[in-house]
Amino acid sequence: SAVISQKPSRDICQRGTSLTIQCQVDSQVTMMFWYRQQPGQSLTLIATANQGSEATYESGFVIDKFPISRPNLTFSTLTVSNMSPEDSSIYLCSVRTGMKVGEQYFGPGTRLTVT
Amino acid sequence: AQTVTQSQPEMSVQEAETVTLSCTYDTSESDYYLFWYKQPPSRQMILVIRQEAYKQQNATENRFSVNFQKAAKSFSLKISDSQLGDAAMYFCAYRSGEFSPGGSEKLVFGKGMKLTVNP
Repeated sequence: SAVISQKPSRDICQRGTSLTIQCQVDSQVTMMFWYRQQPGQSLTLIATANQGSEATYESGFVIDKFPISRPNLTFSTLTVSNMSPEDSSIYLCSVRTGMKVGEQYFGPGTRLTVT
Repeated sequence: AQTVTQSQPEMSVQEAETVTLSCTYDTSESDYYLFWYKQPPSRQMILVIRQEAYKQQNATENRFSVNFQKAAKSFSLKISDSQLGDAAMYFCAYRSGEFSPGGSEKLVFGKGMKLTVNP
Protein backbone atom coordinates (compact mmCIF):
# COMPACT_ATOMS: atom_id res chain seq x y z
CA SER A 1 0.00 0.00 0.00
CA ALA A 2 1.00 3.67 0.24
CA VAL A 3 0.95 6.32 2.93
CA ILE A 4 -1.22 9.22 1.83
CA SER A 5 -1.68 12.54 3.58
CA GLN A 6 -4.11 15.33 2.88
CA LYS A 7 -4.12 18.97 3.91
CA PRO A 8 -6.15 20.47 5.40
CA SER A 9 -7.97 17.78 7.34
CA ARG A 10 -10.96 20.05 7.68
CA ASP A 11 -11.98 23.59 6.92
CA ILE A 12 -14.94 25.92 7.19
CA CYS A 13 -15.21 28.32 4.28
CA GLN A 14 -17.42 31.15 3.22
CA ARG A 15 -19.67 30.97 0.21
CA GLY A 16 -18.00 32.28 -2.95
CA THR A 17 -14.44 31.52 -1.88
CA SER A 18 -12.08 28.75 -3.05
CA LEU A 19 -10.15 26.08 -1.20
CA THR A 20 -7.19 24.07 -2.40
CA ILE A 21 -6.72 20.58 -0.99
CA GLN A 22 -3.34 18.90 -1.15
CA CYS A 23 -2.64 15.19 -1.46
CA GLN A 24 0.86 13.82 -0.84
CA VAL A 25 1.97 10.21 -1.30
CA ASP A 26 5.10 8.68 0.19
CA SER A 27 6.05 6.93 -3.06
CA GLN A 28 5.65 7.45 -6.77
CA VAL A 29 2.29 6.20 -8.00
CA THR A 30 0.90 5.64 -11.43
CA MET A 31 -2.52 7.16 -10.90
CA MET A 32 -4.18 9.56 -8.49
CA PHE A 33 -7.89 10.20 -8.11
CA TRP A 34 -10.20 12.65 -6.36
CA TYR A 35 -13.53 11.56 -4.87
CA ARG A 36 -16.34 13.42 -3.18
CA GLN A 37 -18.43 12.01 -0.34
CA GLN A 38 -21.46 14.13 0.39
CA PRO A 39 -22.96 13.90 3.91
CA GLY A 40 -24.30 10.41 4.55
CA GLN A 41 -23.63 9.38 0.98
CA SER A 42 -21.30 7.15 -0.95
CA LEU A 43 -18.15 8.17 -2.81
CA THR A 44 -18.29 9.64 -6.29
CA LEU A 45 -15.27 10.03 -8.53
CA ILE A 46 -14.62 13.64 -9.51
CA ALA A 47 -11.60 13.17 -11.74
CA THR A 48 -8.41 11.30 -12.46
CA ALA A 49 -5.31 13.42 -11.98
CA ASN A 50 -2.87 12.74 -14.78
CA GLN A 51 0.78 13.60 -14.36
CA GLY A 52 1.92 16.02 -17.02
CA SER A 53 -1.49 16.49 -18.63
CA GLU A 54 -4.97 17.74 -17.86
CA ALA A 55 -7.15 15.82 -15.47
CA THR A 56 -9.91 13.59 -16.79
CA TYR A 57 -13.27 14.61 -15.34
CA GLU A 58 -16.32 12.45 -14.74
CA SER A 59 -19.75 13.40 -15.96
CA GLY A 60 -21.18 16.20 -13.85
CA PHE A 61 -17.82 17.64 -12.82
CA VAL A 62 -16.03 20.42 -14.70
CA ILE A 63 -12.56 21.88 -14.65
CA ASP A 64 -13.70 25.41 -13.89
CA LYS A 65 -15.32 24.25 -10.66
CA PHE A 66 -12.73 21.62 -9.65
CA PRO A 67 -9.34 22.48 -11.16
CA ILE A 68 -6.75 19.80 -10.48
CA SER A 69 -2.99 19.84 -10.68
CA ARG A 70 -0.51 16.98 -10.65
CA PRO A 71 2.99 18.33 -11.00
CA ASN A 72 4.76 15.05 -10.20
CA LEU A 73 4.19 11.40 -9.31
CA THR A 74 3.71 11.99 -5.58
CA PHE A 75 1.56 15.11 -5.32
CA SER A 76 -1.78 16.50 -6.49
CA THR A 77 -4.11 19.34 -5.59
CA LEU A 78 -7.86 19.77 -5.95
CA THR A 79 -9.38 23.23 -5.81
CA VAL A 80 -13.05 23.71 -5.01
CA SER A 81 -13.92 27.04 -6.61
CA ASN A 82 -16.66 29.56 -5.95
CA MET A 83 -18.01 27.42 -3.18
CA SER A 84 -21.65 27.05 -2.20
CA PRO A 85 -23.17 25.12 0.72
CA GLU A 86 -23.82 22.22 -1.71
CA ASP A 87 -20.05 21.72 -1.89
CA SER A 88 -19.96 20.73 1.79
CA SER A 89 -18.52 17.22 1.62
CA ILE A 90 -15.57 15.07 2.41
CA TYR A 91 -13.01 15.15 -0.38
CA LEU A 92 -10.71 12.15 -0.64
CA CYS A 93 -7.74 11.47 -2.80
CA SER A 94 -6.78 7.95 -3.70
CA VAL A 95 -3.90 6.34 -5.52
CA ARG A 96 -3.25 3.26 -7.54
CA THR A 97 0.17 1.90 -6.80
CA GLY A 98 0.32 -0.67 -9.57
CA MET A 99 1.01 -3.48 -7.15
CA LYS A 100 -2.35 -5.17 -7.64
CA VAL A 101 -4.66 -4.35 -10.50
CA GLY A 102 -7.56 -2.17 -9.50
CA GLU A 103 -6.64 -1.57 -5.90
CA GLN A 104 -6.87 2.02 -4.73
CA TYR A 105 -5.65 3.38 -1.43
CA PHE A 106 -7.26 6.42 0.11
CA GLY A 107 -6.07 9.43 2.02
CA PRO A 108 -7.74 10.45 5.29
CA GLY A 109 -10.02 12.95 3.56
CA THR A 110 -10.71 16.66 3.93
CA ARG A 111 -13.98 17.64 5.56
CA LEU A 112 -15.21 20.86 3.96
CA THR A 113 -18.08 22.91 5.36
CA VAL A 114 -19.32 25.89 3.37
CA THR A 115 -21.36 28.51 5.21
CA ALA B 1 -23.33 1.86 -16.65
CA GLN B 2 -22.44 -0.29 -13.71
CA THR B 3 -24.35 0.00 -10.46
CA VAL B 4 -23.69 -1.35 -6.99
CA THR B 5 -26.48 -1.93 -4.47
CA GLN B 6 -26.21 -2.41 -0.75
CA SER B 7 -29.76 -2.90 0.40
CA GLN B 8 -29.13 -3.05 4.16
CA PRO B 9 -28.31 0.42 5.53
CA GLU B 10 -27.45 -0.87 8.99
CA MET B 11 -26.60 -4.10 10.78
CA SER B 12 -25.43 -5.05 14.22
CA VAL B 13 -23.52 -8.06 15.53
CA GLN B 14 -22.38 -9.30 18.90
CA GLU B 15 -18.69 -9.35 19.54
CA ALA B 16 -17.11 -12.70 18.56
CA GLU B 17 -20.03 -13.63 16.32
CA THR B 18 -20.22 -13.79 12.54
CA VAL B 19 -21.99 -11.32 10.29
CA THR B 20 -22.59 -11.22 6.54
CA LEU B 21 -22.92 -7.99 4.57
CA SER B 22 -24.67 -8.21 1.22
CA CYS B 23 -23.90 -6.48 -2.07
CA THR B 24 -25.29 -6.91 -5.54
CA TYR B 25 -24.13 -5.26 -8.72
CA ASP B 26 -25.23 -4.84 -12.27
CA THR B 27 -22.89 -5.03 -15.23
CA SER B 28 -22.71 -6.37 -18.75
CA GLU B 29 -18.96 -6.89 -18.48
CA SER B 30 -17.36 -10.25 -17.88
CA ASP B 31 -14.04 -8.90 -16.68
CA TYR B 32 -14.08 -6.79 -13.53
CA TYR B 33 -12.96 -6.46 -9.93
CA LEU B 34 -14.95 -6.16 -6.74
CA PHE B 35 -13.85 -4.68 -3.45
CA TRP B 36 -15.01 -4.16 0.09
CA TYR B 37 -13.82 -1.01 1.81
CA LYS B 38 -14.23 -0.10 5.46
CA GLN B 39 -14.63 3.49 6.68
CA PRO B 40 -14.38 3.88 10.46
CA PRO B 41 -15.36 7.15 12.18
CA SER B 42 -11.88 8.47 11.40
CA ARG B 43 -13.21 8.45 7.77
CA GLN B 44 -10.08 6.75 6.42
CA MET B 45 -11.16 4.36 3.67
CA ILE B 46 -9.45 1.02 4.23
CA LEU B 47 -9.33 -1.73 1.63
CA VAL B 48 -10.63 -4.93 3.21
CA ILE B 49 -10.68 -7.45 0.40
CA ARG B 50 -10.50 -7.77 -3.37
CA GLN B 51 -12.03 -10.28 -5.77
CA GLU B 52 -11.20 -10.80 -9.42
CA ALA B 53 -14.23 -11.82 -11.46
CA TYR B 54 -12.38 -14.43 -13.48
CA LYS B 55 -11.34 -16.29 -10.33
CA GLN B 56 -13.88 -18.77 -9.06
CA GLN B 57 -12.19 -19.08 -5.71
CA ASN B 58 -13.56 -16.76 -3.07
CA ALA B 59 -11.05 -14.29 -1.62
CA THR B 60 -10.14 -14.45 2.06
CA GLU B 61 -8.13 -12.12 4.30
CA ASN B 62 -7.83 -13.40 7.85
CA ARG B 63 -11.29 -12.99 9.43
CA PHE B 64 -12.78 -11.56 6.24
CA SER B 65 -14.05 -13.67 3.37
CA VAL B 66 -16.35 -13.17 0.45
CA ASN B 67 -19.05 -15.21 -1.22
CA PHE B 68 -18.78 -14.30 -4.89
CA GLN B 69 -21.66 -15.53 -7.03
CA LYS B 70 -20.91 -14.26 -10.54
CA ALA B 71 -24.07 -15.52 -12.19
CA ALA B 72 -26.21 -13.94 -9.51
CA LYS B 73 -24.02 -10.79 -9.47
CA SER B 74 -23.73 -11.07 -5.74
CA PHE B 75 -20.69 -10.26 -3.60
CA SER B 76 -21.21 -10.64 0.14
CA LEU B 77 -18.65 -10.09 2.88
CA LYS B 78 -18.45 -12.38 5.89
CA ILE B 79 -16.76 -11.15 9.03
CA SER B 80 -15.92 -13.92 11.48
CA ASP B 81 -15.16 -13.46 15.17
CA SER B 82 -16.35 -9.85 15.03
CA GLN B 83 -14.31 -7.34 17.01
CA LEU B 84 -15.17 -3.91 18.34
CA GLY B 85 -12.73 -2.44 15.85
CA ASP B 86 -14.82 -3.81 12.99
CA ALA B 87 -17.49 -1.19 13.68
CA ALA B 88 -17.55 1.07 10.62
CA MET B 89 -19.29 1.90 7.37
CA TYR B 90 -18.68 -0.80 4.80
CA PHE B 91 -18.73 -0.01 1.11
CA CYS B 92 -18.89 -2.45 -1.76
CA ALA B 93 -17.18 -1.23 -4.94
CA TYR B 94 -16.87 -2.26 -8.59
CA ARG B 95 -14.13 -1.63 -11.12
CA SER B 96 -14.08 -2.60 -14.79
CA GLY B 97 -11.44 -5.05 -15.86
CA GLU B 98 -8.43 -3.82 -17.79
CA PHE B 99 -9.60 -5.48 -20.95
CA SER B 100 -13.21 -4.37 -20.78
CA PRO B 101 -14.16 -2.13 -23.72
CA GLY B 102 -14.30 1.42 -22.42
CA GLY B 103 -13.19 0.21 -19.02
CA SER B 104 -11.59 2.65 -16.64
CA GLU B 105 -9.94 2.86 -13.25
CA LYS B 106 -13.11 4.33 -11.79
CA LEU B 107 -14.46 2.71 -8.64
CA VAL B 108 -18.25 2.62 -8.44
CA PHE B 109 -19.39 2.47 -4.84
CA GLY B 110 -22.56 1.28 -3.18
CA LYS B 111 -24.29 3.50 -0.64
CA GLY B 112 -22.64 1.77 2.26
CA MET B 113 -23.79 -0.09 5.33
CA LYS B 114 -23.20 0.84 8.94
CA LEU B 115 -22.01 -2.07 11.08
CA THR B 116 -22.31 -1.84 14.85
CA VAL B 117 -20.48 -4.34 17.05
CA ASN B 118 -22.01 -4.84 20.48
CA PRO B 119 -19.78 -5.91 23.38
